[in-house]
Amino acid sequence: GDSVTQMEGPVTLSEEAFLTINCTYTATGYPSLFWYVQYPGEGLQLLLKATKADDKGSNKGFEATYRKETTSFHLEKGSVQVSDSAVYFCALGYQEDSSASKIIFGSGTRLSIRP
Amino acid sequence: GAVVSQHPSWVICKSGTSVKIECRSLDFQATTMFWYRQFPKQSLMLMATSNEGSKATYEQGVEKDKFLINHASLTLSTLTVTSAHPEDSSFYICSAIPGPMRPQHFGDGTRLSIL
Repeated sequence: GDSVTQMEGPVTLSEEAFLTINCTYTATGYPSLFWYVQYPGEGLQLLLKATKADDKGSNKGFEATYRKETTSFHLEKGSVQVSDSAVYFCALGYQEDSSASKIIFGSGTRLSIRP
Repeated sequence: GAVVSQHPSWVICKSGTSVKIECRSLDFQATTMFWYRQFPKQSLMLMATSNEGSKATYEQGVEKDKFLINHASLTLSTLTVTSAHPEDSSFYICSAIPGPMRPQHFGDGTRLSIL
C-alpha cells in the first residue's frame, strides 16, 4: 500500500540555519504530495504542495520538489526563524473523480529553532 | 476563506461519559468531512470519512459503535465518543472539503482527556 516516511525528530537548529527535512514515499499511482505544519495546540495547515513530478511547491520561504525518480519530497528552507518551530508532516493524496481525497500522513518531524 | 471550526477545543470528562465534538465549515459548504485521531508525537490516523446525508465510512479497526459520526448538514459534522475510557484520550482533528478534488481544510483540533 501507499506510505510516507519522514525523518524522525526532534530537529533542533539555530536561527538562520539551513533546514532539510527528508521525506520519501511509496505509491501505487500518481499522487499529489503535501507538506503540512502544525503549530502547538493547533490543527494542521497546508504549507505547500506539488501535484506532479518535477513540480516545486513553495510558501513562506519553504520549498519542496516532487522527485519521482527518487520518490522524495524533501522540505527545505534557507534560513529558519524561531516562529518556524512546529511539527511538519509530509503527506500524499489522490484526488479521485467520484470521491474525496484521502490523505496519508508521515509520522511528523518536530522542529525547534533556538534564538 | 475556507475556515473549519472545531468545538470544544479541550474537554476533560469522567470515564463512562459520552463526549460530542463538533466540526463546522464556517464559510463554505462541505460535501465531505474527515475525522482524524492523533496520538502524542505521532501522525494523524484517518478514522472515518463523512458525507452529508449518508452514513460515514470507517477505516479498518475503528469501532463505529464507539465513534458515532453524524453529518446532518453541509456545514456540520459531529463525532460522539460513546462511553469514553482513558484509552480514548487523544487529539481529534476534523477536516472538510468544499467538493470533489478540492484540498482539505483542517480544524484546530479537540484535545480529549478521559479521567
